[in-house]
Amino acid sequence: AQSVTQLGSHVSVSEGALVLLRCNYSSSVPPYLFWYVQYPNQGLQLLLKYTTGATLVKGINGFEAEFKKSETSFHLTKPSAHMSDAAEYFCAVTRGGATNKLIFGTGTLLAVQP
Amino acid sequence: GAGVSQTPSNKVTEKGKYVELRCDPISGHTALYWYRQSLGQGPEFLIYFQGTGAADDSGLPNDRFFAVRPEGSVSTLKIQRTERGDSAMYLCASSPSGTSGGPGEQFFGPGTRLTVL
Repeated sequence: AQSVTQLGSHVSVSEGALVLLRCNYSSSVPPYLFWYVQYPNQGLQLLLKYTTGATLVKGINGFEAEFKKSETSFHLTKPSAHMSDAAEYFCAVTRGGATNKLIFGTGTLLAVQP
Repeated sequence: GAGVSQTPSNKVTEKGKYVELRCDPISGHTALYWYRQSLGQGPEFLIYFQGTGAADDSGLPNDRFFAVRPEGSVSTLKIQRTERGDSAMYLCASSPSGTSGGPGEQFFGPGTRLTVL
């Protein structure tokens, strides 16, 4: 069975500081990995995804994530936080196949302090 | 173009009542998913449609939950005899394809917040 663990339900950073949101996965097959962002009263928006190929994936709004198979991790980073980055972030995994249903982590709420 | 839309945005009902939640996917998307997100949790998969058929309904919690997609576009999630534990945000997502060449991006709607009193 697949699962996703997001360490830290709440993360607070100062504007301009590094953002690091942690995600570890469990999967019996090579996974496809995603990060979604959810702003208040809005739907989930895809930030980036890893399917195959380059393990460092760049997404929208300056975010990137690195797939590390040996550590079963897919941490999300951004060099310099902006106030507009305050939102909830979800890591998700799927094994692909016939369904492609996403298995989500419990989310990390990012606060950005001025 | 228009994204995924869901109606109503909020639904308040009483325990034991029947509710229907509607999802309008992005035009041309053959794959459609329903997820449920409880407070403080990530979304949990309920059901997946490829075209008109429910290809995977393994996430439906019990037989009070049912979903249809009769013409391969709009989908309705139906909940009978609602219980307080059904209170959650119900999310719909659509994708160009659920199967080929690795997973297509799932585009999410804003959700329907269901409250069962």
